[in-house]
Amino acid sequence: DAGVIQSPRHEVTEMGQEVTLRCKPISGHNSLFWYRQTMMRGLELLIYFNNNVPIDDSGMPEDRFSAKMPNASFSTLKIQPSEPRDSAVYFCASSLDRFYTGELFFGEGSRLTVL
Amino acid sequence: GDSVTQMEGPVTLSEEACLTINCTYTATGYPSLFWYVQYPGEGLQLLLKATKADDKGSNKGFEATYRKETTSFHLEKGSVQVSDSAVYFCALKPPTGGFKTIFGAGTRLFVKA
Repeated sequence: DAGVIQSPRHEVTEMGQEVTLRCKPISGHNSLFWYRQTMMRGLELLIYFNNNVPIDDSGMPEDRFSAKMPNASFSTLKIQPSEPRDSAVYFCASSLDRFYTGELFFGEGSRLTVL
Repeated sequence: GDSVTQMEGPVTLSEEACLTINCTYTATGYPSLFWYVQYPGEGLQLLLKATKADDKGSNKGFEATYRKETTSFHLEKGSVQVSDSAVYFCALKPPTGGFKTIFGAGTRLFVKA
């Protein structure tokens, strides 16, 4: 079975450019999470969706960040405009549980470098 | 609020040495506890879990016991291999609080041949 699929794996862009990260969750999973990982702050939850609806976006750093989930098999995380401090690895994760038990299935991550 | 504290790394061991990575948590009630592992260049994957006090989670030779009295969930392995080199994350899911899983900072393990 395919796991969580993220693209691109690596992105290098210049400050001010728009960045779009993509995620395909595991088929049948009803919850989707976006995390950001940096050396300084560790793993931070940015936003999560349940049944395609954003439930909690309190972790989104600022208005430059936005996330959508137009259907059960696709989600995007957009940064516009990007800044060097956004450089990080962004992970998408999904979960099957109807009553969420904390088990997450992670993608391989998208490493973003903003110059 | 709920939180997880792990021992700082990196931890460097020789092959076949014993491993303990300490993890303590702060939470109300009885959270579910997890260890995730992240191999180089990959995403996190669930290693083991425990959902109630005194439960022992185990997988791939790793074990952790849910200790309510000490609010701990230490990860142990009797004999590490080079292939165990990775970053290990302790995490908890609060008993109430929807969909949030709270992660520790991670502990990097290096195993030398």
